[in-house]
Amino acid sequence: QQQVRQSPQSLTVWEGETAILNCSYEDSTFDYFPWYHQFPGESPALLIAIRPVSNKKEDGRFTIFFNKREKKFSLHIADSQPGDSATYFCAAISGGSNAKLTFGKGTKLSVKS
Amino acid sequence: DPKIIQKPKYLVAVTGSEKILICEQYLGHNAMYWYRQSAKKPLEFMFSYSYQKLMDNQTASSRFQPQSSKKNHLDLQITALKPDDSATYFCASSQETGGDTLYFGAGTRLSVL
Repeated sequence: QQQVRQSPQSLTVWEGETAILNCSYEDSTFDYFPWYHQFPGESPALLIAIRPVSNKKEDGRFTIFFNKREKKFSLHIADSQPGDSATYFCAAISGGSNAKLTFGKGTKLSVKS
Repeated sequence: DPKIIQKPKYLVAVTGSEKILICEQYLGHNAMYWYRQSAKKPLEFMFSYSYQKLMDNQTASSRFQPQSSKKNHLDLQITALKPDDSATYFCASSQETGGDTLYFGAGTRLSVL
């Protein structure tokens, strides 16, 4: 049962372009949507997160767009840099003591210069 | 200094043997987790603990047993190892369960021959 679907599996963009990574979910009780990034040989780390009270969250070059009606959210990386090359995981969780963070399968982003 | 310590970093085991993966966190968090990452299943949730109590277990096999001797410790015992168990096992923690940022350790890379 895959509760968080992520696409594309891999993405290549040129330096300076905007990379767009997409996720969708099924569970309407999810109320927290983080994105993690993972560089080769390292552990995942939080990049940016959003709660559905808003439909957009910005942090520098990174923006999450959230569509509650369609149960979709995306990560836009503006002015992509070679140093952004990593695997990006979207995730979702609903509140509650038994909640667990469920990850998508990841998007491997390559930024070419 | 790393705030979540996992030992060992690399582990090679023979099929049928038993190993214990160690995790200690010094973030003062109340929730701890185990995730597994392999080529087949990126970032697969295994267990969650809150205040040393098991909150969720998504591991089908009883060969995987978490052990929490202290609030900031969550070890993972794996018995009767199989080659399919080969993966990187990440320990993680958060302040509380449900919607808090997850911090990951560096991982233990297990290879079962």
